[in-house]
Amino acid sequence: ETGVTQTPRHLVMGMTNKKSLKCEQHLGHNAMYWYKQSAKKPLELMFVYNFKEQTENNSVPSRFSPECPNSSHLFLHLHTLQPEDSALYLCASSQGGLGAYEQYFGPGTRLTVT
Amino acid sequence: AQTVTQSQPEMSVQEAETVTLSCTYDTSESDYYLFWYKQPPSRQMILVIRQEAYKQQNATENRFSVNFQKAAKSFSLKISDSQLGDAAMYFCAHNAGNMLTFGGGTRLMVKP
Repeated sequence: ETGVTQTPRHLVMGMTNKKSLKCEQHLGHNAMYWYKQSAKKPLELMFVYNFKEQTENNSVPSRFSPECPNSSHLFLHLHTLQPEDSALYLCASSQGGLGAYEQYFGPGTRLTVT
Repeated sequence: AQTVTQSQPEMSVQEAETVTLSCTYDTSESDYYLFWYKQPPSRQMILVIRQEAYKQQNATENRFSVNFQKAAKSFSLKISDSQLGDAAMYFCAHNAGNMLTFGGGTRLMVKP
């Protein structure tokens, strides 16, 4: 379970705060993803990066801002969030972009917006 | 738009018995991939099995197998000889092009 790591594991933030989630993969993969997992909704793909280039933004509000400085690191910058943004945020990576490749998931960051 | 439906929010199975989890999907693509992922309690999501749509043969991985019915857009997962460690959330997922869509999940409970 150490191929993809995420920090922090838990985060509580107010609606006016700015915070960042970090993801790191140690698998030599070229693609990385952010997902949102809410209690009552299916897993939602938020962003896709392939070779550090963003290839998908799945209609995510601008209060979520991704950053991919290199193929091993992925950040999700958060600002002025809403309580409905509380969820488990999962990072994943794969050998190539979306397709037949298996995705390897991190343990997630449990975010609570108060 | 692609959709994936898992009609069973919860399932239970007796240890050592067989259980089948249902999944249907809707897509306009002819070339795509289907996956089953497992998310144990408080643990990371892992791939269970994968099926290429162009392959007629059903994928098998040890105790896990799928029943892929392309015309019916159905992709069920069969777990044989269920073990306590199989207890988890199971997600069916469909990928075509650059979009991966997950179903709502099925919580599987295994009774000793």
